[in-house]
Amino acid sequence: AQTVTQSQPEMSVQEAETVTLSCTYDTSESNYYLFWYKQPPSRQMILVIRQEAYKQQNATENRFSVNFQKAAKSFSLKISDSQLGDTAMYFCAFMKPAGFGNEKLTFGTGTRLTIIP
Amino acid sequence: NAGVMQNPRHLVRRRGQEARLRCSPMKGHSHVYWYRQLPEEGLKFMVYLQKENIIDESGMPKERFSAEFPKEGPSILRIQQVVRGDSAAYFCASSPPLTGVDTQYFGPGTRLTVL
Repeated sequence: AQTVTQSQPEMSVQEAETVTLSCTYDTSESNYYLFWYKQPPSRQMILVIRQEAYKQQNATENRFSVNFQKAAKSFSLKISDSQLGDTAMYFCAFMKPAGFGNEKLTFGTGTRLTIIP
Repeated sequence: NAGVMQNPRHLVRRRGQEARLRCSPMKGHSHVYWYRQLPEEGLKFMVYLQKENIIDESGMPKERFSAEFPKEGPSILRIQQVVRGDSAAYFCASSPPLTGVDTQYFGPGTRLTVL
């Protein structure tokens, strides 16, 4: 079974600074997908970024980027120029594709990020 | 394109009652997933359904819980004889028909409180 570990329960950073959230996972699979989801106080789950394990290039989405280290099984999220609206819980998630495509997501326990004005 | 819809957003039940949670996937999506989030925890997978089929129910308790996704209408997660430990946020997610691995898009969740 796959496991996802987020070792930072809480973090805070000043507005406009850069912050990195860590995530490690354990799997014996060679092909899989990794995600970061954001859950603001509204509790809606919002996809932030996605990474395919077979791609060596790190995914980026505007101010959000990842550092994917496959050998180390590490998948950290970097938020540049942080904004007040980035305040949320951030969940790292793992998906092992089944033979026909999708499968369940396995989530970490989350990191509560607070952006300080 | 409307997102994933869940209703009700909040549901209060007394111990022993039944809870029915509904999920309408995004237009064009035929795969539905249910997850449960206990207070201060991450989401835990419960069940994965396609139209009229349960694909994976490995995360769903064997008793009192059931799920369906009929040919017409929303997916339903049903909890019979609720207990206090069922109090949680229940999230539904959907994804498109199989074209490879696709992102799951989440609804706003239903917060169930059992008194």
